[in-house]
Amino acid sequence: GAVVSQHPSWVICKSGTSVKIECRSLDFQATTMFWYRQFPKQSLMLMATSNEGSKATYEQGVEKDKFLINHASLTLSTLTVTSAHPEDSSFYICSARRVADTLADTQYFGPGTRLTVL
Amino acid sequence: DAKTTQPNSMESNEEEPVHLPCNHSTISGTDYIHWYRQLPSQGPEYVIHGLTSNVNNRMASLAIAEDRKSSTLILHRATLRDAAVYYCILSAGTYKYIFGTGTRLKVLA
Repeated sequence: GAVVSQHPSWVICKSGTSVKIECRSLDFQATTMFWYRQFPKQSLMLMATSNEGSKATYEQGVEKDKFLINHASLTLSTLTVTSAHPEDSSFYICSARRVADTLADTQYFGPGTRLTVL
Repeated sequence: DAKTTQPNSMESNEEEPVHLPCNHSTISGTDYIHWYRQLPSQGPEYVIHGLTSNVNNRMASLAIAEDRKSSTLILHRATLRDAAVYYCILSAGTYKYIFGTGTRLKVLA
């Protein structure tokens, strides 16, 4: 149990276009989902926290108008990178926290999406 | 936010036990200790978590110091597939994970 999927697994786009990444919890309901970004040979950096039905909370330095997050249901969150530029090229990873794990605060991670902006 | 300190890298021989340490001297009473591992180009994989008592599961064991200021992830018999970056994370009470640099484990055949 506790499987999280992401789609697509990789995407290549032209500079200036927008890209949407989906994150789904397949076998559980997620009260909260998180979006991370990871550059090569670096650790994961939290970008934003999203709760179903409410606005996402962005970390300091993350542009909320550039990285649009929608958490429409307890099993789906989307991250849209708007007007992507080469510096947005990165590995984007989502995670989800189960309702049952609220106390332990365990997160389950998706496999990641590799974004390359040309 | 609570922080953790881990060695940058460790090596182990295949089939031998591995003890991966983590220091978290500023841990609060309600913080859980989580361990994840990440293989190249993959998302982190949950390994184990605990609060005060030692924990065992099919992947590993977690030994937590009595004062909770440190913990050790134990892989009982390392295999080549265990080569990964291991992260020790505290649930900081704000439901946000703060990832450190982790420990890169190299398993030697």
